[in-house]
Amino acid sequence: KQEVTQIPAALSVPEGENLVLNCSFTDSAIYNLQWFRQDPGKGLTSLLLIQSSQREQTSGRLNASLDKSSGRSTLYIAASQPGDSATYLCAVIGSYIPTFGRGTSLIVHP
Amino acid sequence: ETGVTQTPRHLVMGMTNKKSLKCEQHLGHNAMYWYKQSAKKPLELMFVYSLEERVENNSVPSRFSPECPNSSHLFLHLHTLQPEDSALYLCASSSHTADTQYFGPGTRLTVL
Repeated sequence: KQEVTQIPAALSVPEGENLVLNCSFTDSAIYNLQWFRQDPGKGLTSLLLIQSSQREQTSGRLNASLDKSSGRSTLYIAASQPGDSATYLCAVIGSYIPTFGRGTSLIVHP
Repeated sequence: ETGVTQTPRHLVMGMTNKKSLKCEQHLGHNAMYWYKQSAKKPLELMFVYSLEERVENNSVPSRFSPECPNSSHLFLHLHTLQPEDSALYLCASSSHTADTQYFGPGTRLTVL
């Protein structure tokens, strides 16, 4: 059974810092890995999707990497802003079955 | 807006009530999902439909009954729920399974 772990569980940083969020998974037989953002009481917003054959994806200040063989992905956030405050979720997609981590709760204070 | 809508946004029901949650997607996707999000637990997949056929039932109690009448609509019928079923229920869709998922805003369910 796939298990997804996200570290750290919570993070509080001053504005402007570069951040690294970590996601690890136990079964490397995946189709892709997806990073989401969730604001309190709301649904999830897709940030980046990395196919299993890819190494990384970039969107604006976000960069996600994937090392399938070691079962790891990182989400890099450059020059963090207060508007980045949210919970960041990693989801590993196997055959039909997405498995989510518990998320990293991020607070960026001015 | 993600193109996925859910109604109602909030629902309070007693344990003997019967209610339904509705999800609609306007993206032309072929796969739809129901998830449960409880406090301090990872997001849990409940059901997956692909081309209106259920392809995954992730060991969900029978008091939850999904229905997918067409590729744009997904329902979750609820009956004789328990207080521990109180959670945020999220619907998502994707063009096909294993593709990028787009989530609705969720229904906050409280079972008294």
